[in-house]
Amino acid sequence: EAQVTQNPRYLITVTGKKLTVTCSQNMNHEYMSWYRQDPGLGLRQIYYSMNVEVTDKGDVPEGYKVSRKEKRNFPLILESPSPNQTSLYFCASSFLRTSADWSEQFFGPGTRLTVL
Amino acid sequence: DQQVKQNSPSLSVQEGRISILNCDYTNSMFDYFLWYKKYPAEGPTFLISISSIKDKNEDGRFTVFLNKSAKHLSLHIVPSQPGDSAVYFCAGHVPGGYGGSQGNLIFGKGTKLSVKP
Repeated sequence: EAQVTQNPRYLITVTGKKLTVTCSQNMNHEYMSWYRQDPGLGLRQIYYSMNVEVTDKGDVPEGYKVSRKEKRNFPLILESPSPNQTSLYFCASSFLRTSADWSEQFFGPGTRLTVL
Repeated sequence: DQQVKQNSPSLSVQEGRISILNCDYTNSMFDYFLWYKKYPAEGPTFLISISSIKDKNEDGRFTVFLNKSAKHLSLHIVPSQPGDSAVYFCAGHVPGGYGGSQGNLIFGKGTKLSVKP
């Protein structure tokens, strides 16, 4: 089954304790992205990657790191989490659009992170 | 500065009627606009897109209209069904640095649609 998986689905942690949220897709997509969703703010892009070893900042990259060492995986790293990073996080992937047609993004089920 | 605005946080419609969800934008660089639907406890799912060079795109019960001069787009759902009840996000795509390849998606805050039987 074609899908985007995220782990963990729920995480409660404390300020300053490094954590990694994994994202994996099995559709051979070049493009992957991380978003956070907060009440009243909608979805905001954190980082995206257009291929292995190619990453770029989205709208809200501060406090986050990413890496893209393999095509299928795009982990989100919080080196020193803070309470303002408490949020619902989504990973997404798609084929890289090279024509005029839009390439649909597939989203994972979300990771709910609470930083105390 | 909010580049994509969905000014109605919620919308309630009777089953069988038309649902119209609105979206305004300020960034003239958007080359595509997308609509996503999101159910609780699930990730967003892609619904429909429209290129900035078009004014209408249709897919079954869903039609998106784009008015570039007004920087406004709308999603029409006809007829509305109870299963359409979800949060709908409008998004604009800013092209990346590699021609037509993927860049940054900027989302609105969403509109919660409730379709009553």
